[in-house]
Amino acid sequence: DAMVIQNPRYQVTQFGKPVTLSCSQTLNHNVMYWYQQKSSQAPKLLFHYYDKDFNNEADTPDNFQSRRPNTSFCFLDIRSPGLGDAAMYLCATSRDRGGGRATNEKLFFGSGTQLSVL
Amino acid sequence: ELKVEQNPLFLSMQEGKNYTIYCNYSTTSDRLYWYRQDPGKSLESLFVLLSNGAVKQEGRLMASLDTKARLSTLHITAAVHDLSATYFCAGGGEAGGGADGLTFGKGTHLIIQP
Repeated sequence: DAMVIQNPRYQVTQFGKPVTLSCSQTLNHNVMYWYQQKSSQAPKLLFHYYDKDFNNEADTPDNFQSRRPNTSFCFLDIRSPGLGDAAMYLCATSRDRGGGRATNEKLFFGSGTQLSVL
Repeated sequence: ELKVEQNPLFLSMQEGKNYTIYCNYSTTSDRLYWYRQDPGKSLESLFVLLSNGAVKQEGRLMASLDTKARLSTLHITAAVHDLSATYFCAGGGEAGGGADGLTFGKGTHLIIQP
């Protein structure tokens, strides 16, 4: 059974039209992450939530926002998508944050949402 | 800031051969991960390496970690076509609860030909 679920699998939006991507998890993990992966590139962390505490990466554009209304759900909002925002967006979870000393701590990734901007 | 470098970035090899992918990282990292990604798919966790000298094996893949050299390797033994994919290494997690998430290398695009 899928533990990190992303919807939709494919999303097409228009230039400048706001779009929201969703992620849900059944693992009851404390941490949820959003990564952006452009074609043939490495995933790049945009931001993460540790419980309700939002942590933005320094180079994440203001155009990207996130919401986490409860433990299970996390949303990625792109306020005004540009052509350069076309990418695969990956949601991931972990039980604890990196500073935790839990062994075998790892991230669980969803299947991703492929965003196209026309 | 953690930087992760993989090499090679592209690798074409024949079935039955052995090869190694290298992953160097720039600063202390709590742990080192290897992921596999098939085209258009998400990331599949292969290994988590937590300590110096750690070695883990799964089928034809073996990963190791040398924290003194800041080097991890992913060794492929007797490659088969099904192992064709992009392999990422990633480091992450500063001690004491600092930066979270993972920093990925650029990935190694592996093609295994019959």
